[in-house]
Amino acid sequence: AQKVTQTQTSISVVEKTTVTMDCVYETRDSSYFLFWYKQTASGEIVFLIRQDSYKKENATVGHYSLNFQKPKSSIGLIITATQIEDSAVYFCAMREGGTGGYKVVFGSGTRLLVSP
Amino acid sequence: EAAVTQSPRNKVAVTGGKVTLSCNQTNNHNNMYWYRQDTGHGLRLIHYSYGAGSTEKGDIPDGYKASRPSQENFSLILELATPSQTSVYFCASGDGLGANYAEQFFGPGTRLTVL
Repeated sequence: AQKVTQTQTSISVVEKTTVTMDCVYETRDSSYFLFWYKQTASGEIVFLIRQDSYKKENATVGHYSLNFQKPKSSIGLIITATQIEDSAVYFCAMREGGTGGYKVVFGSGTRLLVSP
Repeated sequence: EAAVTQSPRNKVAVTGGKVTLSCNQTNNHNNMYWYRQDTGHGLRLIHYSYGAGSTEKGDIPDGYKASRPSQENFSLILELATPSQTSVYFCASGDGLGANYAEQFFGPGTRLTVL
């Protein structure tokens, strides 16, 4: 069964620095999709960035990028030049690529606090 | 932009009562999902659907039923609510098949308290 694990419960950084959040996953599929989402203090959950398992290049969107290490089943989220408004909870998620199901499972989340 | 709405936004129920949480999406997405969020557990999948008339069990389906009567609507039903089902519930929708699978869009959440 698919599983996503985020071991970092919370991280504190000073703004304008770079932070990396870890995520490891388990799957038996050779094809899968990995996502990162952000939950703001208001509770809103928004999509940030995605990595397809068959792509070797790490995805980048704005000041978010991914460190995809397939042999280690790891997909880290890197936020460069952090801003106060990056303070939030970040979730890693995975969908297996099989045709039978559209199940998406999430990790337990990492709370990021960015201070001045 | 995809719009996912949930109702009610807040609900207080009594133990043993029936609770129905509703979700509506206006972006014609095929896939819809119900998650619950509890401290320390992140988002846990309860039920999901890949089209009208279909429902599938997620990781924690016990005590919950789901209904997808149309493309737009997906309901979560607690036939006999228990205090352990006190949580925040999120509905999400998404689209695409296989490699074209796109990200999920989430509703604002429903805070359910079972007394």
